[in-house]
Amino acid sequence: KQEVTQIPAALSVPEGENLVLNCSFTDSAIYNLQWFRQDPGKGLTSLLLIQSSQREQTSGRLNASLDKSSGRSTLYIAASQPGDSATYLCAVPSNQAGTALIFGKGTTLSVSS
Amino acid sequence: GAGVSQSPSNKVTEKGKDVELRCDPISGHTALYWYRQSLGQGLEFLIYFQGNSAPDKSGLPSDRFSAERTGGSVSTLTIQRTQQEDSAVYLCASSLGPFARGWTDTQYFGPGTRLTVL
Repeated sequence: KQEVTQIPAALSVPEGENLVLNCSFTDSAIYNLQWFRQDPGKGLTSLLLIQSSQREQTSGRLNASLDKSSGRSTLYIAASQPGDSATYLCAVPSNQAGTALIFGKGTTLSVSS
Repeated sequence: GAGVSQSPSNKVTEKGKDVELRCDPISGHTALYWYRQSLGQGLEFLIYFQGNSAPDKSGLPSDRFSAERTGGSVSTLTIQRTQQEDSAVYLCASSLGPFARGWTDTQYFGPGTRLTVL
């Protein structure tokens, strides 16, 4: 059964710092991996989707990498801003269904000005 | 265009009552998903629709939970005889679909319905 783990559970940094969020998964036979952002009381916003054939994806100050063989993904945020404060979730499709997403419990990021 | 919408945004009910949660997906999205987010459990998949069919309902926690989708659009999640452990935020998502087994496209989430069972 696929399990997704995110470390750390919480992170506090001053504005301007570069930071890395980690995601690991137990079954390396994934089709893709997605990173989401969730603001308090809100739904999820998709940030990046990396297909299994890709090594990384970039969007603005965000860069996500994927290493299937080691079962790991990282989300790199450059020059963090207070507006980046949110919970970041990674998710992989269920191998069994191929459609349901299995989520980690998230990393709650706080960026202070 | 409009995103995924859900109603109500908040629902407080008494233990033992039935509740219905509604999801309006993005127009043209054939795939629709329900998830539940509760403290300590994180986000859990409940059910997936492709059109009006539900090929994967493996995440529904008990037979008190059911869902339907009509016209390939609106979906309703029904919880019968609610229990306190049903208290959670219920999130709906949609995506373009359809796709081959194992392939997924970006899922767009609604704001959720916060259900509190007293």
